[in-house]
Amino acid sequence: RKEVEQDPGPFNVPEGATVAFNCTYSNSASQSFFWYRQDCRKEPKLLMSVYSSGNEDGRFTAQLNRASQYISLLIRDSKLSDSATYLCVVRVSGSARQLTFGSGTQLTVLP
Amino acid sequence: SAVISQKPSRDICQRGTSLTIQCQVDSQVTMMFWYRQQPGQSLTLIATANQGSEATYESGFVIDKFPISRPNLTFSTLTVSNMSPEDSSIYLCSVGPQGTNTEAFFGQGTRLTVV
Repeated sequence: RKEVEQDPGPFNVPEGATVAFNCTYSNSASQSFFWYRQDCRKEPKLLMSVYSSGNEDGRFTAQLNRASQYISLLIRDSKLSDSATYLCVVRVSGSARQLTFGSGTQLTVLP
Repeated sequence: SAVISQKPSRDICQRGTSLTIQCQVDSQVTMMFWYRQQPGQSLTLIATANQGSEATYESGFVIDKFPISRPNLTFSTLTVSNMSPEDSSIYLCSVGPQGTNTEAFFGQGTRLTVV
């Protein structure tokens, strides 16, 4: 079983749609959680951290359920510029490896 | 934040040869990380590079194949040795998270094709 598993995708949605990505992690010692965005042929960049209470940044909402070891990302009112691969990333407490990446979910927003 | 300059950005190499990838960070960092991202896949950690000590390799990666140097706190190199087509991939260096700053920063990546 992979340490971090994501929806396989790809997701193709029309502009203005709401889309949700799910992620599960297997290590209960996981401490910090993130969503990174990776554009085609570019390096990953932090989209947002995920907090236990849930957090929102504009059109993006991230939620964490520690009991179920589940993370989600909701994108409202999708824009063409949201097209990218979204990586679920987990940091395990005390791990020198720092970050473990999910395989990513590809999103294409269509005009 | 940290700015990382990685080079080369891409290369096409003959099998059996070696390629050294360089990463320069604009600030001093304790640990640097080297990742591989194969086509359509996510990032896999190759090794963690600490200044003044040998790199720590993840399962499936060995020093003879991926020697790493970390001569100071702002620079690191990864060499892909005796390349085969299976080594064709994107290689990324990274720094962070550090302290209270939980964000990781990445170099622009090196797109390697082995023919």
